[in-house]
Amino acid sequence: DTAVSQTPKYLVTQMGNDKSIKCEQNLGHDTMYWYKQDSKKFLKIMFSYNNKELIINETVPNRFSPKSPDKAHLNLHINSLELGDSAVYFCASSRRGGDQPQHFGDGTRLSIL
Amino acid sequence: QQQVKQSPQSLIVQKGGISIINCAYENTAFDYFPWYQQFPGKGPALLIAIRPDVSEKKEGRFTISFNKSAKQFSLHIMDSQPGDSATYFCAAKGPNFGNEKLTFGTGTRLTIIP
Repeated sequence: DTAVSQTPKYLVTQMGNDKSIKCEQNLGHDTMYWYKQDSKKFLKIMFSYNNKELIINETVPNRFSPKSPDKAHLNLHINSLELGDSAVYFCASSRRGGDQPQHFGDGTRLSIL
Repeated sequence: QQQVKQSPQSLIVQKGGISIINCAYENTAFDYFPWYQQFPGKGPALLIAIRPDVSEKKEGRFTISFNKSAKQFSLHIMDSQPGDSATYFCAAKGPNFGNEKLTFGTGTRLTIIP
């Protein structure tokens, strides 16, 4: 029943490791997003895909690489993790255009030791 | 550059009172202004939204007031309840079809006390 689901919910890892976060939506939306929420709760978009095509790519280190195998999935792979990557990462989805609301997952809390 | 400024950072309101959160934006090309509500451990969820050709929108106890000339908009929560305690984010979105980027304010942590 979960509309936008992310796995894992928690991720604790060492600096320098590579990790992935997965996202799936069952809402039939064609646009998906990754957001980063820092320790001060500031939410900032990282990437957006529409029908597997990258449409938004904010100023994000190229250690972060999104991949969309199909329009229901958007994964985020992070190489060489740094302390500053510690945050909550949210996946969201929406229909494209107009005033379409974005539906968020419950987030993945990434902690770098 | 913070394109959407939100205040206050935190707010404590007594049960039954009115909670007011304010936002100001800079980019006049924004044409959609949603408010999101976030509970601890959860993702943000759309609460209410407005377009700039409307000065006010009401849904239940929640009202958005919009002042286009001042480039400001605010969320009013009437008869505030303990269940309203959450973090609230205003946001703004650009006009271009396909430009789905939401620019968020910095958030307001609202606490409703009995």
